[in-house]
Amino acid sequence: DAKTTQPPSMDCAEGRAANLPCNHSTISGNEYVYWYRQIHSQGPQYIIHGLKNNETNEMASLIITEDRKSSTLILPHATLRDTAVYYCIVSHNTNAGKSTFGDGTTLTVKP
Amino acid sequence: GAGVSQSPRYKVAKRGQDVALRCDPISGHVSLFWYQQALGQGPEFLTYFQNEAQLDKSGLPSDRFFAERPEGSVSTLKIQRTQQEDSAVYLCASSSRGGYSNQPQHFGDGTRLSIL
Repeated sequence: DAKTTQPPSMDCAEGRAANLPCNHSTISGNEYVYWYRQIHSQGPQYIIHGLKNNETNEMASLIITEDRKSSTLILPHATLRDTAVYYCIVSHNTNAGKSTFGDGTTLTVKP
Repeated sequence: GAGVSQSPRYKVAKRGQDVALRCDPISGHVSLFWYQQALGQGPEFLTYFQNEAQLDKSGLPSDRFFAERPEGSVSTLKIQRTQQEDSAVYLCASSSRGGYSNQPQHFGDGTRLSIL
């Protein structure tokens, strides 16, 4: 699987948009970009995924650059409950879904 | 609906003891994964099942680790002769389709294993 690079930590003001970047410059054509988050003492929670088009759901938006070498997860109106570790994963859909998580970005939403 | 359930939530064992960790996936989910998460790090893949077949065990750190899913639903991760470096959170995840798909994984809250 392609390797991803994320900043170790970010802060965001409550109510503002949180934009979390991820670099995946070695991504191949049939690899998906997934985002999960993990709140302390809980298991990772799926947020969103995409292949090449931008995606939006009730939790977040995913913006993937045209060359697919990077992406941004957007939480449009961050709340204190969005404080968590956010993982960007690139997964080949023929590898049985085995995911390599890395260390993620710790997002702290501040009042 | 019910999510992935793991038990026990916490397990303390003495070095050298055997432990068994249980995972109840979401009903009907074909794929089941085990991960190990050390403190302050992301989850690391251990093994993968599609129904009852263990298709990938490349992440198991030693032959002391053994996983099974005999009827294609509940899975057990067993660690024999535990050592202090086995202390970690063990996460189980399931997904609705077989391995070669883009379905996301649904995780349990893990079992925190502490070896004294």
